[in-house]
Amino acid sequence: GAVVSQHPSRVICKSGTSVKIECRSLDFQATTMFWYRQFPKQSLMLMATSNEGSKATYEQGVEKDKFLINHASLTLSTLTVTSAHPEDSSFYICSAKAGGQGNEQFFGPGTRLTVL
Amino acid sequence: LAKTTQPISMDSYEGQEVNITCSHNNIATNDYITWYQQFPSQGPRFIIQGYKTKVTNEVASLFIPADRKSSTLSLPRVSLSDTAVYYCLVGTLYNQGGKLIFGQGTELSVKP
Repeated sequence: GAVVSQHPSRVICKSGTSVKIECRSLDFQATTMFWYRQFPKQSLMLMATSNEGSKATYEQGVEKDKFLINHASLTLSTLTVTSAHPEDSSFYICSAKAGGQGNEQFFGPGTRLTVL
Repeated sequence: LAKTTQPISMDSYEGQEVNITCSHNNIATNDYITWYQQFPSQGPRFIIQGYKTKVTNEVASLFIPADRKSSTLSLPRVSLSDTAVYYCLVGTLYNQGGKLIFGQGTELSVKP
């Protein structure tokens, strides 16, 4: 199957700093990428949908000014957690979907963010 | 998007067949049913997808009755490595950009 990578896999930062997480589709062009957040023992929660070259669509309750999403190319989307706080500590997962028929999404390995 | 209901957890033993049923009473005509597997601290992995009747691949089978209000993921002869959380998702192919909403999932524990 198609491969999606995330970088970094793990990051620890101080409260108040910003953290950027990259999501790349390695062997296909992703017209749409999705960002999820997952707290321990909970399900994935969709944060936003990102289409290449356009503004991201955020789910209700997700602050767009805090979670900045950029999808500048068909293989790269970035999520920036601005002014991170301990409550932002979570597992962030991206997925990518190629254009055309079928809605199979390929998920990245996730990024563990810990805010001290 | 159709809501799904699954058992929170299931236990099994190595070598057994495991069937996980998902209810989706409000499934729409254009919705497909997709199952994902997730190991701790990893992203979900696609297992199987179907629209109606039966779909089989190298890792699982998916049974969907005629009314499509439920579906059953069947894992033949599970091993310890099948211990994971299994998510049933229902979504459209084209509307809403293929957005998938995850429910609680079923935590499968396979014992020796």
